[in-house]
Amino acid sequence: EAGVVQSPRYKIIEKKQPVAFWCNPISGHNTLYWYLQNLGQGPELLIRYENEEAVDDSQLPKDRFSAERLKGVDSTLKIQPAELGDSAVYLCASSLDLPFSGNTGELFFGEGSRLTVL
Amino acid sequence: AQKVTQAQTEISVVEKEDVTLDCVYETRDTTYYLFWYKQPPSGELVFLIRRNSFDEQNEISGRYSWNFQKSTSSFNFTITASQVVDSAVYFCALSPQYGNKLVFGAGTILRVKS
Repeated sequence: EAGVVQSPRYKIIEKKQPVAFWCNPISGHNTLYWYLQNLGQGPELLIRYENEEAVDDSQLPKDRFSAERLKGVDSTLKIQPAELGDSAVYLCASSLDLPFSGNTGELFFGEGSRLTVL
Repeated sequence: AQKVTQAQTEISVVEKEDVTLDCVYETRDTTYYLFWYKQPPSGELVFLIRRNSFDEQNEISGRYSWNFQKSTSSFNFTITASQVVDSAVYFCALSPQYGNKLVFGAGTILRVKS
């Protein structure tokens, strides 16, 4: 079974340029997450989707970040314009969760997209 | 607010030594989940264990064991007879019962030398 696939693995851009990251979750997983991981720190949630609905985007900086999950499968995370402080690893994860069951399913992570903003 | 503290930034051991990674958490929820993830150099976080707050039974899986103590809000992870392949960053995480919102600690870098 294929895992969570992310692309690109590495991206170097100049500040003020736009950038986009793509994520393909594990087939059948209804929940998708984007996490931000700064160097030497643990991942922090940016946004969580249940199917195509963003159910938690409270930590997404909406002035420059946007995300979408078309048809409840693949997802794209965009930054426009990028700033120096956005340099980090952007992790995508997916899980199969039963709604309202209290079942926190295991999160499967991709390898991440490492962004460097110059 | 939920918080996870991994006080050990980095640990170095020699192969075959036992090593314990500490994790202390804070939450006001009565029901919650605790996790451990491993992040090898490739970058992909690998799930190791999930523990429900009502289940304080310790767990052993091969060379890995976990000690959950609600009284001290700790969920420590021990690797017995460490191997070089265990070298990675290990993250402890906490999630509320609903919402699937993992809060991660800062991680502990484990270096196992041959």
